[in-house]
This record gives sequence, C-alpha cells and structure tokens, in this order.
Amino acid sequence: DAKTTQPTSMDCAEGRAANLPCNHSTISGNEYVYWYRQIHSQGPQYIIHGLKNNETNEMASLIITEDRKSSTLILPHATLRDTAVYYCIVRGSQGNLIFGKGTKLSVKP
Amino acid sequence: DVKVTQSSRYLVKRTGEKVFLECVQDMDHENMFWYRQDPGLGLRLIYFSYDVKMKEKGDIPEGYSVSREKKERFSLILESASTNQTSMYLCASRAGDSGSYEQYFGPGTRLTVT
Repeated sequence: DAKTTQPTSMDCAEGRAANLPCNHSTISGNEYVYWYRQIHSQGPQYIIHGLKNNETNEMASLIITEDRKSSTLILPHATLRDTAVYYCIVRGSQGNLIFGKGTKLSVKP
Repeated sequence: DVKVTQSSRYLVKRTGEKVFLECVQDMDHENMFWYRQDPGLGLRLIYFSYDVKMKEKGDIPEGYSVSREKKERFSLILESASTNQTSMYLCASRAGDSGSYEQYFGPGTRLTVT
C-alpha cells in the first residue's frame, strides 16, 4: 500500500492561501489521493480527492504532479475555522483509508 | 447529507466490562468501518464490513469483535474492556465499490476504561 509523507505542522495567516504538501512516491496507477481534515474532538471530514488531474471544489483545490508522486492541497483563503489536522491519504488495498499522522495547520489572525 | 451517528460521545467503563459501541448511517452504504485514534498513532482500522453479516479484520482487531445484522448499523464490541482500550473510536461508512472511496465519519466516541 502506498504511504504518504506530510510535514508535522504548518502555520498560515488568516485570509492567505494555505498550501499543504504531501509526498506519495509509491502510489500505484489506479490509486486515488484523498484529503481529509479533523477539527479537534470531531470525526474526520472529507475535503477532496483526485487521480491525475487537478481538482477544485467549494472547499479546496488539489494539485497533483504529473508523475503523481506528490500533491498539494490549497485552501485559497484560510480562516480560523480551518485550523485542523489535515490528512493526505492513498486508498489502501482492503478498501480502507490509511491515515498517517497528518499536518497540523494553525491559522493565525 | 450523509449522516453517521454514534451512540455516545463519551463513555466510561470499568476493566472487564463488556462494551457496545453503536454506529448508524442513513445513506444505505454497503461499507462500514471502525477505527480507533490515539495520540501519535493516528487512525488505525479495527474492523470493517462490506455487507450485512460480513466482516473483515483490520490492522488491530485483537480484543474487539463486530456485528452487522442490518445494513445501516455496525456495532463494535469490547468483550472484556481493558485500560489499553481507552481511546477515541470513530465509525465511518462508504458507498459500494467504485472509483471513489469517500468515507463519511461519525463524531466519535471517547471511551475511558478505568
């Protein structure tokens, strides 16, 4: 199963774009990259996913490199409510999602 | 909106007690999952189910069992609770196999075993 590597923590100023990187160099051709976040004391929340092309929805944008070995989640205008742990996940072989330790994003005024 | 609910947000049990954690989803999803989350260890899969009465072991099934008698309900059972099972327990559900594996999570149950 492909594993992911993310920075342990990041800071972002409120109103600025938050760019969260993820490395997944062993990803296989049919595996998707998923991003979830977990706000303190809540269950994880789905944000976005992608296979090859860049994706955008109302929450975020996902940029996947051409070789698919890394991706970046972009929150275009971070707010204080975006403070959370962000997980970059590649689908596991059993149909489950393999969660790493994620990146703790702190959005500061 | 998909809704996944868990029977309790907080639970305190004594060592040796039998504990039931209930999870219900309202989107007719085939797949349901139980995870536990501990500081520094992230989310770890305990058991999952891809259909009624079907179950598969995840990464850390020891000390746990599950039951899925109805499609919407997936129960996690601690046969004899121990202090090392103190944790946050998260239930999730997902539609049947497709190209996408978006999971919906419940709010979690924080279990303390004393």
